[in-house]
Amino acid sequence: AQSVTQLDSQVPVFEEAPVELRCNYSSSVSVYLFWYVQYPNQGLQLLLKYLSGSTLVKGINGFEAEFNKSQTSFHLRKPSVHISDTAEYFCAVSKVAAGNKLTFGGGTRVLVKP
Amino acid sequence: GAGVSQSPSNKVTEKGKDVELRCDPISGHTALYWYRQSLGQGLEFLIYFQGNSAPDKSGLPSDRFSAERTGGSVSTLTIQRTQQEDSAVYLCASSFLPGTAFGTLQNEQFFGPGTRLTVL
Repeated sequence: AQSVTQLDSQVPVFEEAPVELRCNYSSSVSVYLFWYVQYPNQGLQLLLKYLSGSTLVKGINGFEAEFNKSQTSFHLRKPSVHISDTAEYFCAVSKVAAGNKLTFGGGTRVLVKP
Repeated sequence: GAGVSQSPSNKVTEKGKDVELRCDPISGHTALYWYRQSLGQGLEFLIYFQGNSAPDKSGLPSDRFSAERTGGSVSTLTIQRTQQEDSAVYLCASSFLPGTAFGTLQNEQFFGPGTRLTVL
């Protein structure tokens, strides 16, 4: 079985400041890794994913994440946030078999302050 | 093209009643998933339909929950004898199946807007 831990439930950050959202996972098999964003009253949208290859993954809206196999981490970063980045962010994993179910972390709520 | 759609967007029901939630996946996606998002439990997997294979029902919380997928497209999640703890947002997602040559789209699940269920 897999599990995902997002260490911060809430992260307040000022506009134009950098932000890092931490994600650690546990799995006995190889996994794919994902970050999803959920804006208020909306569904989930994929920000980025790691399937294989380069461990630094770039996604939409200026976000990037780095896969660290030895630390079993997949932290999400953005160098300069906007008010519109206020949302909840979910880290997720799935077993290395396309189309498999996602296991989510508990989410990190990002509040960008002016 | 059109994304994943779900109906109704909101459903209020009384404890003990049955409810049906509908999901229309993206055309061509043969994998369909149901998840539940609640305050206490976060985002949980419920059930996964994978083409013509038997569905993975390992996430269904009780035998009051069931789901069907007719004709490999539309899916209905049914909750019988609803309880207050069933109150949550029910999310549907769809994706391509493994082995299909769709490059970077492999493994990406596209989510619908969800159905908010409130059991009084």
